[in-house]
Amino acid sequence: RKEVEQDPGPFNVPEGATVAFNCTYSNSASQSFFWYRQDCRKEPKLLMSVYSSGNEDGRFTAQLNRASQYISLLIRDSKLSDSATYLCVVYTGTASKLTFGTGTRLQVTL
Amino acid sequence: DGGITQSPKYLFRKEGQNVTLSCEQNLNHDAMYWYRQDPGQGLRLIYYSQIVNDFQKGDIAEGYSVSREKKESFPLTVTSAQKNPTAFYLCASSALGNINTEAFFGQGTRLTVV
Repeated sequence: RKEVEQDPGPFNVPEGATVAFNCTYSNSASQSFFWYRQDCRKEPKLLMSVYSSGNEDGRFTAQLNRASQYISLLIRDSKLSDSATYLCVVYTGTASKLTFGTGTRLQVTL
Repeated sequence: DGGITQSPKYLFRKEGQNVTLSCEQNLNHDAMYWYRQDPGQGLRLIYYSQIVNDFQKGDIAEGYSVSREKKESFPLTVTSAQKNPTAFYLCASSALGNINTEAFFGQGTRLTVV
């Protein structure tokens, strides 16, 4: 089983739609969780951190479910500019390592 | 300005050559990472280092080598043993020891075999 797993997509949604991505992780000792956004041919950039029960930033909401070992990212009122790949990242303190999922591609259309 | 710098941005390699990609950070981060990304694919971990003079293999270390002689530098060498090196290479760094461990990325190096 991979340490961090994501559905690669692509998720094709119309503008204004709500879309959700999940990410599962295998190590129950994992401490910190992040969502990154990557645009084509660019480096990933931090979108949101998820430390405990989740957090919200405008149209974006991230949730953590420790019991089931997954995090989610919800995007409301999708914009064309939201089209990108969304990477799930997990930090495990015991291994002092950041592990990336392979990313979920989102395409928002008119 | 604090940050992480990769160079060169584009690199061309002849078959059979070794090439070295540079990664420097002035964020005082303990951990540094190298990832490879192929078109339409996610990031795959090549090597990572948590402390000077120590590093660990990631998922796809074969054909690559690294060194960590200084905290701020983590160069990656793509050796002739790497049979398919054409890819986008990303270097990242992060703090360790607390939960605020977000990773910062360099702008990447595009390596092409010619």
